[in-house]
Amino acid sequence: DAGVTQSPTHLIKTRGQQVTLRCSPISGHKSVSWYQQVLGQGPQFIFQYYEKEERGRGNFPDRFSARQFPNYSSELNVNALLLGDSALYLCASSFDGAGEAFFGQGTRLTVV
Amino acid sequence: QKEVEQDPGPLSVPEGAIVSLNCTYSNSAFQYFMWYRQYSRKGPELLMYTYSSGNKEDGRFTAQVDKSSKYISLFIRDSQPSDSATYLCAMIEGSNYKLTFGKGTLLTVNP
Repeated sequence: DAGVTQSPTHLIKTRGQQVTLRCSPISGHKSVSWYQQVLGQGPQFIFQYYEKEERGRGNFPDRFSARQFPNYSSELNVNALLLGDSALYLCASSFDGAGEAFFGQGTRLTVV
Repeated sequence: QKEVEQDPGPLSVPEGAIVSLNCTYSNSAFQYFMWYRQYSRKGPELLMYTYSSGNKEDGRFTAQVDKSSKYISLFIRDSQPSDSATYLCAMIEGSNYKLTFGKGTLLTVNP
């Protein structure tokens, strides 16, 4: 079975631009969470979606938004990019959000 | 005080050594505990998942949870150079589904 897939793998954007990151969870999993990991730190929670509903939101500005589609895939959008948004963005898949969470390889976003 | 504190490392050991990685936490609502391994520039890989105090073993890995002391550990026996990675502890509250991570410990196993 395929694991969690994220696209694209790498991205370079200019300050002020907008970016959309995509995630497909493990087949049968209904929950997708997004995390931001800056160099040298553990991942920080951004959003969790379960059955297409937002279940939780971390301490991130409104420039960050997400959604989950009927097939349980998800998109993370970031508007008005700042240099500080440069990070590895990780998607985690779990059956119901409370159990074991499996991560994709991440999207490395560089803002210049 | 951060919710999850993890020994900063870096940690360097010879091949075959027993490695001990540790995290402490302050939030008594944490109920589920995980250890992830993360190779450079890759996503975290789930190694161990546990929810009760005591030990859980899987091959060369043993996860230990002490809820009374708010302390978790990961032991790696017969460490191999391929174990060289950053190890992250993570925890979930029962009612809040977000994972709270430690900062990670960079482990190097030298041949």
